[in-house]
Amino acid sequence: LAKTTQPISMDSYEGQEVNITCSHNNIATNDYITWYQQFPSQGPRFIIQGYKTKVTNEVASLFIPADRKSSTLSLPRVSLSDTAVYYCLVGPAGSNYQLIWGAGTKLIIKP
Amino acid sequence: ETGVTQTPRHLVMGMTNKKSLKCEQHLGHNAMYWYKQSAKKPLELMFVYSLEERVENNSVPSRFSPECPNSSHLFLHLHTLQPEDSALYLCASSQDPTSGRADEQFFGPGTRLTVL
Repeated sequence: LAKTTQPISMDSYEGQEVNITCSHNNIATNDYITWYQQFPSQGPRFIIQGYKTKVTNEVASLFIPADRKSSTLSLPRVSLSDTAVYYCLVGPAGSNYQLIWGAGTKLIIKP
Repeated sequence: ETGVTQTPRHLVMGMTNKKSLKCEQHLGHNAMYWYKQSAKKPLELMFVYSLEERVENNSVPSRFSPECPNSSHLFLHLHTLQPEDSALYLCASSQDPTSGRADEQFFGPGTRLTVL
């Protein structure tokens, strides 16, 4: 399975756009890219998933370049409540039991 | 409300106790998972059940024993635990991990376990 690399932590300010990049150089042809968000003492929550190009939903966008060796989670106009740990996961369809969770990126939003 | 509930939310137990964690999902999913999250460590997958059959056991010590009586309920039976087993235990469910598509997992709030 493809290993992912993310920054350990990031800081930003309310109202800013935040981009978190994840590297997955060994991504396989049938791998999807999935992002989760986790608040302290809670379970992770699914944010977005994509295979290629761009995916957008009501909370975030996911940008995936043509070579798919990296991906960027974009959070528009963040607020204090977006302070959380964000995880990037890579794996093939139907592979939840094979996903490897890394340390994630701890995002801190300041007023 | 994620549709996945876990009880109890907090548990303190001695090393000789026997206790059980309960998870219930109200989403009509076919797969359920147990994860362990220790302080400052990534999530570790412990067990996976699909259609009530165990499909994955990531070399978890036998002092942890899962039970999946039906597709909506999942238990984790604990006995003779060690202090290093203190962690947040998370339950999750998904539609079907073998459905042929990348599968969103829905997590419960977790049980904070402390072993004395």
